Amino acid sequence: DSGVTQTPKHLITATGQRVTLRCSPRSGDLSVYWYQQSLDQGLQFLIQYYNGEERAKGNILERFSAQQFPDLHSELNLSSLELGDSALYFCASSVARGDGEAFFGQGTRLTVV
Amino acid sequence: AQSVTQLDSQVPVFEEAPVELRCNYSSSVSVYLFWYVQYPNQGLQLLLKYLSGSTLVKGINGFEAEFNKSQTSFHLRKPSVHISDTAEYFCAVTPKGSWGKLQFGAGTQVVVTP
Repeated sequence: DSGVTQTPKHLITATGQRVTLRCSPRSGDLSVYWYQQSLDQGLQFLIQYYNGEERAKGNILERFSAQQFPDLHSELNLSSLELGDSALYFCASSVARGDGEAFFGQGTRLTVV
Repeated sequence: AQSVTQLDSQVPVFEEAPVELRCNYSSSVSVYLFWYVQYPNQGLQLLLKYLSGSTLVKGINGFEAEFNKSQTSFHLRKPSVHISDTAEYFCAVTPKGSWGKLQFGAGTQVVVTP
């Protein structure tokens, strides 16, 4: 158990809909990262928050957004969903600025039908 | 920008045999290097990391990796695998001084058979 909790574990939704994925980092970790894992794109970095502020942005679509709340949990919002958004979405956390060592949750498997 | 190439998409190996997973990277800046493992239906777990110092890095579960700066490689090895080592292995890099975002390779699926 990494200490990072992601909910829900599975999500099935229709095209055009909006969903919210939730992540609770390990106790004491200030950084939260979101990654997308798909068969065609592999593991891709989406976005990072540190203590409530956005710190780095990767290949995140404009239809996607995220935030980190004062209690340090984070949410990833995916809107106007398309079939191609079906993937495993991971949240990871690290203590501070991060040297790349991160603790990953078990992921949320999103299926868009 | 950085890129990571894992040279083998799948590596079949017999139990108690050695295994080597190859990783090459390219980057215009100095990077930290990592190997993560993903067991079926689980998240990623850090196996080992290279930040600086000795180029031979030991990790969990008997794995080790060697950083070769001239060849820009970071190959992972285990002298004797177990059935439980069946998993997908990812090589990753992050630029030094960045905020720790990881650039992953495509992964190598290791299948250990008796």
